[in-house]
Amino acid sequence: GAVVSQHPSRVICKSGTSVKIECRSLDFQATTMFWYRQFPKQSLMLMATSNEGSKATYEQGVEKDKFLINHASLTLSTLTVTSAHPEDSSFYICSAHLPRGETQYFGPGTRLLVL
Amino acid sequence: AQRVTQPEKLLSVFKGAPVELKCNYSYSGSPELFWYVQYSRQRLQLLLRHISRESIKGFTADLNKGETSFHLKKPFAQEEDSAMYYCALKYRNNDMRFGAGTRLTVKP
Repeated sequence: GAVVSQHPSRVICKSGTSVKIECRSLDFQATTMFWYRQFPKQSLMLMATSNEGSKATYEQGVEKDKFLINHASLTLSTLTVTSAHPEDSSFYICSAHLPRGETQYFGPGTRLLVL
Repeated sequence: AQRVTQPEKLLSVFKGAPVELKCNYSYSGSPELFWYVQYSRQRLQLLLRHISRESIKGFTADLNKGETSFHLKKPFAQEEDSAMYYCALKYRNNDMRFGAGTRLTVKP
């Protein structure tokens, strides 16, 4: 099956710094990637849809200036949490959609802890 | 607006007992529904999709448009089925709306 990787798997940073999370599709080209956020014991919440070569589409309530998404190639999307604060601490998961595919393939997630 | 409801956060059954994880949805369009599973310390993965009408690991799910439900069933639960299960609805082009999830524990 399709494989999606994320890097880093875990990151701890100081409040006020920016953190970049990478999402890669390893064996296929993904025109669309998705970024989710998952709080402890809660469901995945879609943050934004990332389309290669165009601006990301953000869900209502998600600050686009806070969560910068770049989908520069068909195999890489990045999420940058700018000026991170403790309330941004969460589990961030990306997924990729195969062209003409029916479902999404998920990355292993990145745990962000902001001190 | 699209919505996915999983009424049970926790579900516990004994090994060999039948199990049903409930999922109800709300969507004005033609629904495409999925069940995802997340085993301990593993990534989320697709379990089954309604359009395939398949049985995976003994699990089945039938889309009932009249009741707007997509319940997941297995006649005889196994310990290795213990995991977090998410029902999901595909809307717009490829966006997914996930339910809150149900943690299934199968006791020996």
